[in-house]
Amino acid sequence: EDQVTQSPEALRLQEGESSSLNCSYTVSGLRGLFWYRQDPGKGPEFLFTLYSAGEEKEKERLKATLTKKESFLHITAPKPEDSATYLCAVRVGGFQKLVFGTGTRLLVSP
Amino acid sequence: GAGVSQSPRYKVAKRGQDVALRCDPISGHVSLFWYQQALGQGPEFLTYFQNEAQLDKSGLPSDRFFAERPEGSVSTLKIQRTQQEDSAVYLCASSRLASGSQADEQYFGPGTRLTVT
Repeated sequence: EDQVTQSPEALRLQEGESSSLNCSYTVSGLRGLFWYRQDPGKGPEFLFTLYSAGEEKEKERLKATLTKKESFLHITAPKPEDSATYLCAVRVGGFQKLVFGTGTRLLVSP
Repeated sequence: GAGVSQSPRYKVAKRGQDVALRCDPISGHVSLFWYQQALGQGPEFLTYFQNEAQLDKSGLPSDRFFAERPEGSVSTLKIQRTQQEDSAVYLCASSRLASGSQADEQYFGPGTRLTVT
């Protein structure tokens, strides 16, 4: 069965304190790994897609990396506005169906 | 440009009532998805449309759930005889490409929060 596990469940950082979020997956044929950000009361907002081991993508203070078993979302010098839930998802099968993890709730304090 | 919109944003239903949730995808997007998100959980896949064809409904939890997209644009998710366990946020997403294509980002709407009392 396709599974996505995210850790930690929650993370509290001080502004400027860099850290990483983990997403480990077990799927029968990865066809894309996605990172989304979700703010309270809103739908997930697309951040990155990664396709193959070794691939990296960056956007402002965020950098996503991918290995054969897991992905990391690195947050460098975070700001309070980076506070949100970060969701990892994998595309499985022939259709574009996504299987999501339960997310990591990030709180960045000033 | 306009994103994915959903209505209503909030719906309270008494147990046993039928509800209909609407999704307006991004214009021109071929693929449309419905997900269910329980509190503190990630979204869970319900069903997938490519244009007007419902190609995957494997995630629909029971035959009380029904979705349609008759003209390949707007979609409606209908829940008959609602139960308390149906309480959740229902998310709609659309993407530009069709199934079988390279992985394509899905753009989500704000969701409809359904509360069954």
